[in-house]
Amino acid sequence: SQTIHQWPATLVQPVGSPLSLECTVEGTSNPNLYWYRQAAGRGLQLLFYSVGIGQISSEVPQNLSASRPQDRQFILSSKKLLLSDSGFYLCAWSALASHSEQYFGPGTRLTVT
Amino acid sequence: GENVEQHPSTLSVQEGDSAVIKCTYSDSASNYFPWYKQELGKRPQLIIDIRSNVGEKKDQRIAVTLNKTAKHFSLHITETQPEDSAVYFCAASSGNTPLVFGKGTRLSVIA
Repeated sequence: SQTIHQWPATLVQPVGSPLSLECTVEGTSNPNLYWYRQAAGRGLQLLFYSVGIGQISSEVPQNLSASRPQDRQFILSSKKLLLSDSGFYLCAWSALASHSEQYFGPGTRLTVT
Repeated sequence: GENVEQHPSTLSVQEGDSAVIKCTYSDSASNYFPWYKQELGKRPQLIIDIRSNVGEKKDQRIAVTLNKTAKHFSLHITETQPEDSAVYFCAASSGNTPLVFGKGTRLSVIA
């Protein structure tokens, strides 16, 4: 069966520091991968998605970037965090054939101080 | 692009009563409509979904209905229990683009 991992689970970072969040998927090949951000008490904001290695689509222009160095690895980065970057970051995957049936990872709760 | 509206934003029901959450979508090409349940501090979990070739789908106490003509779909929860309390998200996709989510409904089941 498929499993999706995210780490770290929680993170507290000062404003202006860099960020690297990692997501890996097991048990499937060539998945679509997604990064979402959820502010406290709010909805799901799609940040990036990828349909293959090195293929990244950005949905929201901001100080974040994403990379997909391997088939089942998706990384979210920032060079300098802002206070507004605080939130719950969720990675998700779906089968390559379509964007349906999406499954979320456990999430990383980021607090920027 | 697709736009998904979800109502109500909050819903309180007595335990044992039914709850209904409604969503409308704008893109007639959308053909996949999932519902997610998110408990406090947890990840969203896919609880039920429906495709455009089906009008209704049931799974125990939950059901989803789809009206393609009116471009709306609904989640029905019967015999609600306290553990049904959560935020529920609807979404839509044509399959060629990522899911577009509604803003969520916070359901509270009062014992």
